[in-house]
Amino acid sequence: EAQVTQNPRYLITVTGKKLTVTCSQNMNHEYMSWYRQDPGLGLRQIYYSMNVEVTDKGDVPEGYKVSRKEKRNFPLILESPSPNQTSLYFCASSPGAHSNEQFFGPGTRLTVL
Amino acid sequence: RKEVEQDPGPFNVPEGATVAFNCTYSNSASQSFFWYRQDCRKEPKLLMSVYSSGNEDGRFTAQLNRASQYISLLIRDSKLSDSATYLCVVKGGGSYIPTFGRGTSLIVHP
Repeated sequence: EAQVTQNPRYLITVTGKKLTVTCSQNMNHEYMSWYRQDPGLGLRQIYYSMNVEVTDKGDVPEGYKVSRKEKRNFPLILESPSPNQTSLYFCASSPGAHSNEQFFGPGTRLTVL
Repeated sequence: RKEVEQDPGPFNVPEGATVAFNCTYSNSASQSFFWYRQDCRKEPKLLMSVYSSGNEDGRFTAQLNRASQYISLLIRDSKLSDSATYLCVVKGGGSYIPTFGRGTSLIVHP
């Protein structure tokens, strides 16, 4: 089944404890991205990747890192999480940056205490 | 100023009603337009792209007005299963980054 998977789906952590949210797609897509969704603010892009080893900042990259060592994986790293990073995170992929449709993962609900 | 504006609603309508949502965008160079649907606590999924000439998919009709910089979504004969949040998405205008509206909530009741 073609899909985007994220892990973990739910995470409660404490300020300053490094964490990684994994994202994997099995559709051989070149373009992958991370979003956060907050009430009243909608979906905002954190980082995106056009292809392996090519990443770039989205609208809200502060406090996040990403890597794209393999085509299928695009982990989101929070080196020192803070409470303002409590949010619902979505990973998405598409065949290319100009593709019409993005395929989203199921989401990761992160709470930073 | 938010680049993509939507009325958050909620729009509360009975089954069988026709309901319309509008979305305005600020970047006149935008090139691609979409409506996504998001169910509660789930991921967004593409509902339909929006083409310049307007397009229809069953009970759903999307239209684009470039001069006034808005897109619309019309849902005819609403079903209970149409209850969701509808996200307007705009791309292009010199950026690869799609801009999402905050979404419009639709509640269809019996």
